[in-house]
Amino acid sequence: ETGVTQTPRHLVMGMTNKKSLKCEQHLGHNAMYWYKQSAKKPLELMFVYSLEERVENNSVPSRFSPECPNSSHLFLHLHTLQPEDSALYLCASSQRQGGRSGNTIYFGEGSWLTVV
Amino acid sequence: QQPVQSPQAVILREGEDAVINCSSSKALYSVHWYRQKHGEAPVFLMILLKGGEQKGHEKISASFNEKKQQSSLYLTASQLSYSGTYFCGTEGGDYKLSFGAGTTVTVRA
Repeated sequence: ETGVTQTPRHLVMGMTNKKSLKCEQHLGHNAMYWYKQSAKKPLELMFVYSLEERVENNSVPSRFSPECPNSSHLFLHLHTLQPEDSALYLCASSQRQGGRSGNTIYFGEGSWLTVV
Repeated sequence: QQPVQSPQAVILREGEDAVINCSSSKALYSVHWYRQKHGEAPVFLMILLKGGEQKGHEKISASFNEKKQQSSLYLTASQLSYSGTYFCGTEGGDYKLSFGAGTTVTVRA
């Protein structure tokens, strides 16, 4: 139990579907992240929210739409995805301090997404 | 820019030692090490801040050479539980971590 909970753990969706991934952190952190993990590739940072404001969007296609309603919850809305979007999507949180880091990122268990 | 990890994979017998290296092309503020087992979340092992410090977690230790912009993770007297994929995450002074591709460690009895 890492204090970061993701649902669903597994999701299969068609290319025309709309679905959402949910993340909740119970650590009192002020920053939340979405990472994509594909086979044999480094973890790719997708989005960063700090104090509920999006501060990072790493050239992610618009078919991925994040939402952070409060500091404990983060969503990733998915629509018209492609088969190459199939991957493990990891949510994470940390406590940012004055723009500097050295702080620890805690990951959730991940949501396995398969696009058919 | 993402750090480079080596080796990509290593197979050990229980009790053997191994070293995993992580190199970056940019100046680093901190290096983070994680271990991920199949189907599970990456688990934080340790963080090293600039200053050349060395840290440990059980019989796993790491060093950080700021000048060389690299870190090494040392697995000493490996146990079966050490199997997994080890990632280094590097941070260049902001809050973002860039991760290496990972090193898969298999420890056999």
